Amino acid sequence: KAGVTQTPRYLIKTRGQQVTLSCSPISGHRSVSWYQQTPGQGLQFLFEYFSETQRNKGNFPGRFSGRQFSNSRSEMNVSTLELGDSALYLCASSLTGVNSYEQYFGPGTRLTVT
Amino acid sequence: DAKTTQPPSMDCAEGRAANLPCNHSTISGNEYVYWYRQIHSQGPQYIIHGLKNNETNEMASLIITEDRKSSTLILPHATLRDTAVYYCIVRPPISSGSARQLTFGSGTQLTVLP
Repeated sequence: KAGVTQTPRYLIKTRGQQVTLSCSPISGHRSVSWYQQTPGQGLQFLFEYFSETQRNKGNFPGRFSGRQFSNSRSEMNVSTLELGDSALYLCASSLTGVNSYEQYFGPGTRLTVT
Repeated sequence: DAKTTQPPSMDCAEGRAANLPCNHSTISGNEYVYWYRQIHSQGPQYIIHGLKNNETNEMASLIITEDRKSSTLILPHATLRDTAVYYCIVRPPISSGSARQLTFGSGTQLTVLP
C-alpha cells in the first residue's frame, strides 16, 4: 500500500500571504489529522477530519482551516501568514473503527515564512 | 491526559538491544501506551502499542509492567537506521472523542553507534 503523501514538501512564503497544503491518506483510511511541529512547541494537533467533517479541533486561530474531500484527501489552509507559522506540517491518516487508532504520518510539508 | 516521562537521550551499540524506558504513572485503566519514532526531518512512524500485555511485532517489543505505570520499548538488534527520537504516548480514552489526537512530549533521542 502507498503511504501518506503530502505536497508540496517544501514551501517558502512571505508574511501576509496564504498557503494551501495537501494530504492524500492511505487508501481506505477515512480519518485525516493535521499537526504542526516546531522545535519550541513540539507536535501540536490542529484538527481532524472524518468523512468530510471536522471532528476535532486544536487550539489554533481561525487563520488555520482545513477541509476533506469525498475521496478522503485533505487540504489545510493558512491565511495571513506570520513568521511564527514556520514549521513542519504533518498529516496523519487512520482507519475507522474502535480498534483502528494507529496513525500513519506523511513526510510533512516544511513551510518557511519570511 | 496522562503524562509520560522519558530520558532525553540514550546511546546503543549497533547490533545490541536498545531498551527505551517510559514512565506513565498516572495512566488510566483504559488508556493505551503507544510508541512512535521520528527520524530527523521525517514524519513520525508508528512502532507499536499495548494495553496490558506485552506486545511484539516486526519492529519491536513492548513490555508493560503489571501496574502499568511504566513500559519499555525494545529494539532487539539496533541498526544505524534506528537513530531517531522515540516518543512514548498515552492515548486518551476512546470515549473522549479525541483519541486520534496525539500529544508528543520531548521523547528520547536514541543514537545507535557503529
